[in-house]
Amino acid sequence: EADIYQTPRYLVIGTGKKITLECSQTMGHDKMYWYQQDPGMELHLIHYSYGVNSTEKGDLSSESTVSRIRTEHFPLTLESARPSHTSQYLCASSEWGGFNSPLHFGNGTRLTVT
Amino acid sequence: GEDVEQSLFLSVREGDSSVINCTYTDSSSTYLYWYKQEPGAGLQLLTYIFSNMDMKQDQRLTVLLNKKDKHLSLRIADTQTGDSAIYFCAERREDGGSQGNLIFGKGTKLSVKP
Repeated sequence: EADIYQTPRYLVIGTGKKITLECSQTMGHDKMYWYQQDPGMELHLIHYSYGVNSTEKGDLSSESTVSRIRTEHFPLTLESARPSHTSQYLCASSEWGGFNSPLHFGNGTRLTVT
Repeated sequence: GEDVEQSLFLSVREGDSSVINCTYTDSSSTYLYWYKQEPGAGLQLLTYIFSNMDMKQDQRLTVLLNKKDKHLSLRIADTQTGDSAIYFCAERREDGGSQGNLIFGKGTKLSVKP
């Protein structure tokens, strides 16, 4: 069983609020990811990190930002939430190095911006 | 093209076999994965196959890989109602553009009727 945790599970906020979605893993994985999952199920990689102090943008442009100050923690921040940010956000981690490094996912945060 | 392709829906009767198909794009892909997502949850790794293998079996799950046609399939024997979920195919590409990240299909929603 993978140990990766996301909080909150559900969040409903008003437009213009600043929010931070938390993601922590206890496996010592170097690589971490944020995916946005739209209602049509498709997953879009929005951010990833190779390790501490590393952050990279993913395939889908996002107004969110991330930080990686500690190995186990990879929070995602929206400075000013908008209804278009309504989505499910999934955090994942994997070992760095080697070809077979499957992703381990958290249970996700479902964000609704009103 | 760039996409990993899957059919979006599959409906089967309990006790039948389910076959979920996927086509991928990059002949240099090293590992191919199947993930399962239950409602309200993150993705759970089901199984994976290395690209030099043709088949892998794990209890009720059989993965078949046709590297020539870039076709991957997941067969679930004796499908149960608990198998109802979304199934994602993913490939790990080793080209520089994707930085070894996984490329996901859009997911196949499996519905199992009693």
